[in-house]
Amino acid sequence: QVQLVQSGAEVKKPGASVKLSCKASGYTFTVYAIHWVRQAPGQRPEWMGWINSATGNTKYAQDLQGRITITRDTSATTGYMELSSLTSEDTAVYYCARGNWEPYYFDYWGQGTLVTVSS
Amino acid sequence: DIQMTQSPSSLSASVGDRVTITCRASQGIRNDLGWYQQKPGKAPKRLIYAASSLQSGVPSRFSGSGSGTEFTLTISSLQPEDFTTYYCLQYHNESYTFGQGTKLEIK
Repeated sequence: QVQLVQSGAEVKKPGASVKLSCKASGYTFTVYAIHWVRQAPGQRPEWMGWINSATGNTKYAQDLQGRITITRDTSATTGYMELSSLTSEDTAVYYCARGNWEPYYFDYWGQGTLVTVSS
Repeated sequence: DIQMTQSPSSLSASVGDRVTITCRASQGIRNDLGWYQQKPGKAPKRLIYAASSLQSGVPSRFSGSGSGTEFTLTISSLQPEDFTTYYCLQYHNESYTFGQGTKLEIK
């Protein structure tokens, strides 16, 4: 069965960086894109960016450009999201999700990783 | 960017009621829209894709309709486990935006 398993919770200080992972299983990794979405407490989810798992091509949300890097390791069937220059506004649950064409858009999600940014 | 306006933001209803949630897009998005259910502390779960296609394993009391700029999610007969939060997500032309969410509460 399709599974996306994310890395564990992180606590970071302002100005630091965080790198999260998303381990995929149960499907051919390079066929489907991986998206990253975050959700601050009590807020709607916010799309952050995605990676074409086959080519490594990426697209990022405009307001995160320059701070976000999404990569993947095809041999490990794992996607990664690194966010730098963290502030308290980056405190959120971060999710990875699969898919970039019908009927597979955002069909499977990871369990989420809580990132807390606090001095 | 495409904006999604979801309404209502909250809704009180009873078990067995029929409810409808609406999302309006700021520009036409064909049928590039999904509906998600999110329970506290959990990832969103897809209910509907391509505006009106039911995700495998999702009960048939959930249905979606619409195209262009106006979309609806209908729950035909609310069950106790349906009282949670719902989001729409548009994915038109490599742009991805969620609605503000609708919190469904027991009356």
